[in-house]
Amino acid sequence: GAGVSQTPSNKVTEKGKYVELRCDPISGHTALYWYRQSLGQGPEFLIYFQGTGAADDSGLPNDRFFAVRPEGSVSTLKIQRTERGDSAVYLCASSLTEGGNEQFFGPGTRLTVL
Amino acid sequence: GQQLNQSPQSMFIQEGEDVSMNCTSSSIFNTWLWYKQEPGEGPVLLIALYKAGELTSNGRLTAQFGITRKDSFLNISASIPSDVGIYFCAGLVYQLIWGAGTKLIIKP
Repeated sequence: GAGVSQTPSNKVTEKGKYVELRCDPISGHTALYWYRQSLGQGPEFLIYFQGTGAADDSGLPNDRFFAVRPEGSVSTLKIQRTERGDSAVYLCASSLTEGGNEQFFGPGTRLTVL
Repeated sequence: GQQLNQSPQSMFIQEGEDVSMNCTSSSIFNTWLWYKQEPGEGPVLLIALYKAGELTSNGRLTAQFGITRKDSFLNISASIPSDVGIYFCAGLVYQLIWGAGTKLIIKP
């Protein structure tokens, strides 16, 4: 499809486990963003990539969270030793250029940590 | 993290009524954006504002970028059932800083 896709759509895991969330941006978009959205809140910025490099990871809550984008396209958000407080919807967005006003969002991955 | 102050938190309206919501910030933004999010979906961009004082329309939606660059409002005229959803304002740095959303509910 032409839009941003994210997999899985839902992930249920146990406390302490490791999870990977995948984002496929729109083809040709150089900037990729990860946000986290808790129930009843707006999204909160986690990290953004320009090409392969993380241009700003200041939103990552702690060192259990890590993201990669090795070929400048697909990105994976990795969470180690998951905690119940990590439960949220993780949204990915891409834009044509850095700081592009039109950030196109995927449907999100709903992560539930039991 | 930083969030914008968005109000109201929710609105219960009759079909056909006009709707107004707003967003304020202690910081200046050079771009304000309004998104709509429906259940199970990511946010979808409705209107982008690039200039202080700018008034922009998209169909029944009208948004304004405040003169101080610290606020914005969104109006929806003659609401219809498909307007139901959560509306978010966002200020653009390069990442987006978001309001908490306004949930729009149409009374039957």
